[in-house]
Amino acid sequence: EAGVTQFPSHSVIEKGQTVTLRCDPISGHDNLYWYRRVMGKEIKFLLHFVKESKQDESGMPNNRFLAERTGGTYSTLKVQPAELEDSGVYFCASSQGLSGYEKLFFGSGTQLSVL
Amino acid sequence: QKEVEQDPGPLSVPEGAIVSLNCTYSNSAFQYFMWYRQYSRKGPELLMYTYSSGNKEDGRFTAQVDKSSKYISLFIRDSQPSDSATYLCAMPQGLNYGGSQGNLIFGKGTKLSVKP
Repeated sequence: EAGVTQFPSHSVIEKGQTVTLRCDPISGHDNLYWYRRVMGKEIKFLLHFVKESKQDESGMPNNRFLAERTGGTYSTLKVQPAELEDSGVYFCASSQGLSGYEKLFFGSGTQLSVL
Repeated sequence: QKEVEQDPGPLSVPEGAIVSLNCTYSNSAFQYFMWYRQYSRKGPELLMYTYSSGNKEDGRFTAQVDKSSKYISLFIRDSQPSDSATYLCAMPQGLNYGGSQGNLIFGKGTKLSVKP
């Protein structure tokens, strides 16, 4: 069974440009999460989709970040315009959403460098 | 005070050693406690979770929670070079405000190296 896949694995852009990250969750997982790790800091929650709906977007840093999950399958995270402080590793995770604790399956991440 | 504190290490031990990894937390409302393992250039992978206080064992790994001290531990017995990774503690902070169970708060992670 394929795991969570993220594309691209690395992206280098200049300040002010736009970047779009993509995440394909495990098939059948209704829950999709975005997390980010800025260098030297903890991994931090950004937002949570249940199918195509945003369930919790309390971690989104500002309105330069736009996440979508059209059709409830893959998701994209767009940063426009990118700033230097947006550099970091962006992780996507998915889960089945059964009762009890959530077992999240993470992708390998997209390393974003904003120069 | 940060909600979750974890010593980032690095921690280097010889093969076969017992490893103790720890986190402290400040929010007494946390009920689930997780340990994730992250290999280089990979995403975190759930290793173990415990609910409330007590111990949980899985092979060479034991997770321990002391809610009275707000202290959680992960012990690795007979450590192997393949255990070399970053270990992150995590708790579902989303449950505290009616948010998502998958909204986890992570420690910084402890980088472990097991030398053959």
